[in-house]
Amino acid sequence: QKEVEQDPGPLSVPEGAIVSLNCTYSNSAFQYFMWYRQYSRKGPELLMYTYSSGNKEDGRFTAQVDKSSKYISLFIRDSQPSDSATYLCAMIKYTGTASKLTFGTGTRLQVTL
Amino acid sequence: GAVVSQHPSWVICKSGTSVKIECRSLDFQATTMFWYRQFPKQSLMLMATSNEGSKATYEQGVEKDKFLINHASLTLSTLTVTSAHPEDSSFYICSARPSGGGGYTFGSGTRLTVV
Repeated sequence: QKEVEQDPGPLSVPEGAIVSLNCTYSNSAFQYFMWYRQYSRKGPELLMYTYSSGNKEDGRFTAQVDKSSKYISLFIRDSQPSDSATYLCAMIKYTGTASKLTFGTGTRLQVTL
Repeated sequence: GAVVSQHPSWVICKSGTSVKIECRSLDFQATTMFWYRQFPKQSLMLMATSNEGSKATYEQGVEKDKFLINHASLTLSTLTVTSAHPEDSSFYICSARPSGGGGYTFGSGTRLTVV
């Protein structure tokens, strides 16, 4: 069993829809959580960084963490065609610059006109 | 925000030659940088952890003599693919995290094609 599970999609939604992206993890040692957006042939771009259970909002993006259920989500409101990309969840077990990221497999999102 | 610059963005080389990829942290010092490899439609695979002033730590299955890593300063790490072969063709990405915390920042990636 992988430490981090993420539905690979592809997920196709119409413009303006609310998108829900999810990851589950099995190791309760994970304490810090990130969401990345990756366009084709580009490096991942950090969207959200969270470390406590609850919600964190930034513009159209909301990150949700439920440590008791070992479940994290990213919500995208008013989705745009420019949001079409692969979304990766990532997490680390402790803070510090040498802590290795554990990634989900990524979810491909397509926002259609 | 933290910025990591990676060069070149793409490179084509002949089989048997070596290629160097640079990763620079532009607005923070990075004692640790990470090098990843990514195949099409797959997630990132960690190759090695680059430590400033000391030897890199390689993940299991990664040939350290083929993928030479140098982290000679707090803002620069390099990955050299030695004696490249077509199977080394891939997307290579570096990443680092500021000591003040927050998420990891990634470079824009280098697409290597070996012909």
